[in-house]
Amino acid sequence: SQQGEEDPQALSIQEGENATMNCSYKTSINNLQWYRQNSGRGLVHLILIRSNEREKHSGRLRVTLDTSKKSSSLLITASRAADTASYFCATDVGGTSYGKLTFGQGTILTVHP
Amino acid sequence: SQTIHQWPATLVQPVGSPLSLECTVEGTSNPNLYWYRQAAGRGLQLLFYSVGIGQISSEVPQNLSASRPQDRQFILSSKKLLLSDSGFYLCACTTTREKLFFGSGTQLSVL
Repeated sequence: SQQGEEDPQALSIQEGENATMNCSYKTSINNLQWYRQNSGRGLVHLILIRSNEREKHSGRLRVTLDTSKKSSSLLITASRAADTASYFCATDVGGTSYGKLTFGQGTILTVHP
Repeated sequence: SQTIHQWPATLVQPVGSPLSLECTVEGTSNPNLYWYRQAAGRGLQLLFYSVGIGQISSEVPQNLSASRPQDRQFILSSKKLLLSDSGFYLCACTTTREKLFFGSGTQLSVL
């Protein structure tokens, strides 16, 4: 079964608004990553947060991780129409499975100009 | 930085026909290589991964196989395609095991 589950499945906002996507997972992890996918294209890595980190920033992206709740959130601030894409969380449980990511179902984000 | 070449972009094949999808990597050596499949509107499912030439691990039982004849070449194959093999196939690589680089994918339709 999928390790990560995103919420909401779809999100529609206006340009300039913030977008928040959530991810829940089931087992202990080594790290959690967020990826973006434009329609019909490959995925692009956005950000990685390790299990001993609680928050990380990269440009307009802010990721939080709560290992006690087994959840993460991705915040995109001041969204732009170009942010329209699907966003996936992916977990790495480490150990002998290090580098093998398990992806969630994704959140489809639509940003209206 | 790493670049992944994946082809073809689109493929329509009849049921029972063979399949060969190729993925090559530039800009790095000795990468870990992965084949993922994505059903429409769904997340990615890991099919195969490889840590070196000739070393293939299968994640799910299926009608597909993978081979790695060269360090930066990863091939996905099938002898006889099934309808259920339809999907979007993505090749990925990493050398750090903490960031995957993806190819642009192959949309396979089995009819």
